[in-house]
Amino acid sequence: GQNIDQPTEMTATEGAIVQINCTYQTSGFNGLFWYQQHAGEAPTFLSYNVLDGLEEKGRFSSFLSRSKGYSYLLLKELQMKDSASYLCAVIDSNYQLIWGAGTKLIIKP
Amino acid sequence: ETGVTQTPRHLVMGMTNKKSLKCEQHLGHNAMYWYKQSAKKPLELMFVYSLEERVENNSVPSRFSPECPNSSHLFLHLHTLQPEDSALYLCASSQDQGAGANVLTFGAGSRLTVL
Repeated sequence: GQNIDQPTEMTATEGAIVQINCTYQTSGFNGLFWYQQHAGEAPTFLSYNVLDGLEEKGRFSSFLSRSKGYSYLLLKELQMKDSASYLCAVIDSNYQLIWGAGTKLIIKP
Repeated sequence: ETGVTQTPRHLVMGMTNKKSLKCEQHLGHNAMYWYKQSAKKPLELMFVYSLEERVENNSVPSRFSPECPNSSHLFLHLHTLQPEDSALYLCASSQDQGAGANVLTFGAGSRLTVL
């Protein structure tokens, strides 16, 4: 079967750095997405990785290692507004999108 | 404004009711999707429409019936639902569907409670 694993919940402090991990076992790989979802709101696109390495976008960076079936989302200089769920999703060999259950990130002052 | 609008945002219905969820996208996208989101579970893809044709139906019970009258509108008709159908129903759209990295734009969802 296909599986995406993410921690259910993480807590971090305002101003700090947090890394949210995602490991996947899928039939093939055609890319990986990260989405952010604030409570009661729509998920919004954060990043897309298809090649190994780090993609940086402001305070957010996403890393991919295809050989390890592993990605992480790195959030720097955390702000209270970063409290949200972060969803990892992988495109498999059939171009189906396989989703993780999401990681709820709680930011404390 | 996300570009994808869902109504109603909240819906409470009995098991014998019939209701519909509506989704509208203003992005000129060719593909539209219905997802079910339950607490602490991965998003479940229910239906996919590409250019108004249904291209995927992931073994969804017949009590859920989709309709895509044009490329901007998508409906999910609900009838004789079960309490376990209570969830957040998300509509999404993307420029295209199938091969490629199709970024999804989601609506805020319709929170459904079945009593």
